[in-house]
Amino acid sequence: RKEVEQDPGPFNVPEGATVAFNCTYSNSASQSFFWYRQDCRKEPKLLMSVYSSGNEDGRFTAQLNRASQYISLLIRDSKLSDSATYLCVVQHIGGYSSASKIIFGSGTRLSIRP
Amino acid sequence: DVKVTQSSRYLVKRTGEKVFLECVQDMDHENMFWYRQDPGLGLRLIYFSYDVKMKEKGDIPEGYSVSREKKERFSLILESASTNQTSMYLCASTRTGEYETQYFGPGTRLLVL
Repeated sequence: RKEVEQDPGPFNVPEGATVAFNCTYSNSASQSFFWYRQDCRKEPKLLMSVYSSGNEDGRFTAQLNRASQYISLLIRDSKLSDSATYLCVVQHIGGYSSASKIIFGSGTRLSIRP
Repeated sequence: DVKVTQSSRYLVKRTGEKVFLECVQDMDHENMFWYRQDPGLGLRLIYFSYDVKMKEKGDIPEGYSVSREKKERFSLILESASTNQTSMYLCASTRTGEYETQYFGPGTRLLVL
């Protein structure tokens, strides 16, 4: 079983729609959570961190459910420019000497149609 | 503006060749990483380095080695390239204590024939 699992999609939604992705993680000791965005043939870039209380950045809302070990990303009023792959990232201490271990999900592909 | 650069965007090599992938960052970051990204598998960590001349194995180090002689440069070496090493290779760097903000290079798409 993968440590971080995401629905690969693709999600194909019309412009203006609301879309939500979930991501589950298996290590209950995981401490920090993030969403990265990766455009086609480009490198991943940090989209937002995910805090226990949930957090919002414009049209994007991230939630964390530690009890069920999943995080979510909600995109409201989706734009054509939101088309990308969204990577769920989980961090926990240990694994490599004293450094943090960062695990990337395989990504959920989102396509917004006009 | 932060910058991570990789020596090549596209590379074609033959089985058995020695391959060098170079990564340079200009942010004075202590930590540097090499990943490979394959469809359905996400990013998998090959090696990372938290200081000059220091290196640690990631999840899939077999068939690879690394070199970090200078803080800004982290090289990935394929000693004898094989077809199953055809992949997208991504370099990243972070400042110590800020692991979540990984700054990635543009990637090198390697094809091994």
